[in-house]
Formats: sequence, C-alpha cells, structure tokens
Amino acid sequence: GQNIDQPTEMTATEGAIVQINCTYQTSGFNGLFWYQQHAGEAPTFLSYNVLDGLEEKGRFSSFLSRSKGYSYLLLKELQMKDSASYLCAVNNNAGNMLTFGGGTRLMVKP
Amino acid sequence: GAVVSQHPSWVICKSGTSVKIECRSLDFQATTMFWYRQFPKQSLMLMATSNEGSKATYEQGVEKDKFLINHASLTLSTLTVTSAHPEDSSFYICSAREFFRSSYEQYFGPGTRLTVT
Repeated sequence: GQNIDQPTEMTATEGAIVQINCTYQTSGFNGLFWYQQHAGEAPTFLSYNVLDGLEEKGRFSSFLSRSKGYSYLLLKELQMKDSASYLCAVNNNAGNMLTFGGGTRLMVKP
Repeated sequence: GAVVSQHPSWVICKSGTSVKIECRSLDFQATTMFWYRQFPKQSLMLMATSNEGSKATYEQGVEKDKFLINHASLTLSTLTVTSAHPEDSSFYICSAREFFRSSYEQYFGPGTRLTVT
C-alpha cells in the first residue's frame, strides 16, 4: 500500500524558518513533489526531488533521502502569504500517478 | 508554463440532477488527465485517471457509473456527476501531466466547487 505522512498543522512566526517533514512508504518511487495550496484554490507546484539531496529555489528548499523515505520542505523568511496547506506527493511509478499526503496547514503569525 | 482550465468554477445543482465539469489543457497536449476530489480540510483524493481515446481507470471505491469520465481529445477531459446527492458536494480538481525531467509533473486546474442541495 501507499502511506505518506505529514504533520497536520504547524504555526510559525513571520520572518522565521519552518521545516515541514514528510515520510513515505510506497510500492515504487519516481520522484517526490511539494505543492502549496491556498484555501479554495488548486495546488501550485513548489519543488521536485528524485535524487537524494537538497534542491534550493529562492526562499523554498526541499530535501530528499530515498533510503529513509523522508523529505522536508524548508521555508525561510516566512511571510504572511505563506499561510497555506503544503502537500507532499509521491510519484510511485504505477502509471505515473501521484499519491498525496494529508497536507500540512501552516499558519504564519505576525 | 503549462495552463489547465476548468469550467465551471462553481456550480449549485439540485439533488438528482447531473453536472458536467470540463478540464482543458490550454497550451500543451495531455494524453493523461487526473480527477481528484477534495473535502474541506482534507487532502486530494484521486478519483480516476483519464486516458485519451480509452476508458478511464477508477480508484477503488469510486463508482464508475456515477462519475462518468470522457477524454475525447488531447486537450479535453470531462467529468459528469450523475444523479448528484448532497454527499457529492466537494471541490473537484483536474490535473494534466507533462514530462518534467525524469518524471511527470502534474499541472492542476483551478478546481470546481460543487454544491448539491
């Protein structure tokens, strides 16, 4: 079966750094995606990891360890507009479908 | 970047009626599109995989006779919710995939909020 775990909710302060973890157990692996979703809107792509290591893109970075079935999304210099849900999704290579975790609702406070 | 549109963005219908939702890839061809359903404060749940020119593949627990999917062209897939009931009220999101590095990235439509009264 497929199992992807993320914390349900996190709170952080404006200007700070927050790390959102994702662990996965899937029957196959062909890449891990992070998406941002604001309430009532569709998810938007943030990052993609298929090899171990850190991918940095501006204020956002994503890390992957395939041996540990673990990824994290790092958000720096938090802004109020970063308050959203962050979805971890794994391409398990079965028809190239994405399996989503439950999402982490991040609240950024002043 | 790749753009996916959905129509309508929201719809209210009466119980027992049918509703059609369209998903279009605007600037690329998508041989495969996906339909998701999302209830409030929950993550996306895959309903079915829509393949151009062939029958859709439904996930376990999704009634294929209730949620009719048609993928008639490389840029259009439709989801018809037949005999809708209040419990079908949800946010329906489609996505289309495009090859990205060694995998496929999915581009999401803006979603359709369905309310069944």
